[in-house]
Amino acid sequence: AQSVTQLGSHVSVSEGALVLLRCNYSSSVPPYLFWYVQYPNQGLQLLLKYTSAATLVKGINGFEAEFKKSETSFHLTKPSAHMSDAAEYFCAVSEAGANSKLTFGKGITLSVRP
Amino acid sequence: KAGVTQTPRYLIKTRGQQVTLSCSPISGHRSVSWYQQTPGQGLQFLFEYFSETQRNKGNFPGRFSGRQFSNSRSEMNVSTLELGDSALYLCASSLGHVAEEQFFGPGTRLTVL
Repeated sequence: AQSVTQLGSHVSVSEGALVLLRCNYSSSVPPYLFWYVQYPNQGLQLLLKYTSAATLVKGINGFEAEFKKSETSFHLTKPSAHMSDAAEYFCAVSEAGANSKLTFGKGITLSVRP
Repeated sequence: KAGVTQTPRYLIKTRGQQVTLSCSPISGHRSVSWYQQTPGQGLQFLFEYFSETQRNKGNFPGRFSGRQFSNSRSEMNVSTLELGDSALYLCASSLGHVAEEQFFGPGTRLTVL
């Protein structure tokens, strides 16, 4: 069975600082991994996805994530935080045979201090 | 192209009532998935429909049901509402392959009193 762990529920960084949001997964087969962002009162928007091609994945708004099989991790990073990055971030996993079922982590709220 | 739309956006019901939520996917998408989002449990998968057939189901009681029409529009029904059903219900559409991006609607906020 697939699962996702996002440690901590809240991360606060200063504007211009590095953003690092951690995600670890569990999957019995090679996974597909996703990062989604949710702004207040909105649905989820895809930031990036890993589908077994390059292990370093670049997404929208300057975010990127690296798939590390040995660590079962897919951490999200951005070199320099902007105020507009304040939102809730979800890591999700899907796997072959699960069709379109996404299993989400609990989510991390990112705050950006001026 | 138009995004995923969900109606209504807000709904207030009382315990014991039933409710039907609607989702219109992006044109050409044949898969519609439903998720429940609550502060305590986070995002939980309810079920997925593909070409009018339920293809996947999460761990929710039978009070939660859904269907999909030939135009890919989907409805979700919750019968005998409980206070704990208060949540944001999100639907997502995709082409249907496990690696494809799911496009989410803005959600329906259901409050059960």
